[in-house]
Amino acid sequence: DADVTQTPRNRITKTGKRIMLECSQTKGHDRMYWYRQDPGLGLQLIYYSFDVKDINKGEISDGYSVSRQAQAKFSLSLESAIPNQTALYFCATSDFTVAYGYTFGSGTRLTVV
Amino acid sequence: GIQVEQSPPDLILQEGANSTLRCNFSDSVNNLQWFHQNPWGQLINLFYIPSGTKQNGRLSATTVATERYSLLYISSSQTTDSGVYFCAGEETSGSRLTFGEGTQLTVNP
Repeated sequence: DADVTQTPRNRITKTGKRIMLECSQTKGHDRMYWYRQDPGLGLQLIYYSFDVKDINKGEISDGYSVSRQAQAKFSLSLESAIPNQTALYFCATSDFTVAYGYTFGSGTRLTVV
Repeated sequence: GIQVEQSPPDLILQEGANSTLRCNFSDSVNNLQWFHQNPWGQLINLFYIPSGTKQNGRLSATTVATERYSLLYISSSQTTDSGVYFCAGEETSGSRLTFGEGTQLTVNP
């Protein structure tokens, strides 16, 4: 099993629908992140969480919300999806040991039509 | 503000060639990492390299933190090396990872 698992892998949804992307990890890391990647661009931070009771906005949080249900689970919701939220979404975890840095999930490709 | 700049933006190589990718970062950035995004979109952590030099097979990376740059070396390139290479650094507060815009590498057979 992957260290960081994202579901679904691909999703097509309609404008105005609410959608949830889920992330779970087995690395035991406290820190979890949601990033968005638009075609041909780098990754931008949406939200991050340093523990279950800690939630922080990133650069592009408008139109998104998150929930940290447990140390291992961090979900991202689009309250009312719009076409310009079509992107590749990544969940990541981190630990500050020298060896590991950040670990990313395989991504969720979301299309809003 | 935080700046992470990569060069070149695009690179085309013949199989077997060597290449060097560069990442410049601002004073407020630490804990450099290099990632490879393959053509299927998967993002793989190559190196966590806040300073010094590391090697993994045909890839190696060097970060000179005092001069605010990092280099990724790819030797004897293969077609499977194609994809986008990102460098990313953390704010000194340690709260978030900021990505450069990437280097698109194409290795032709």
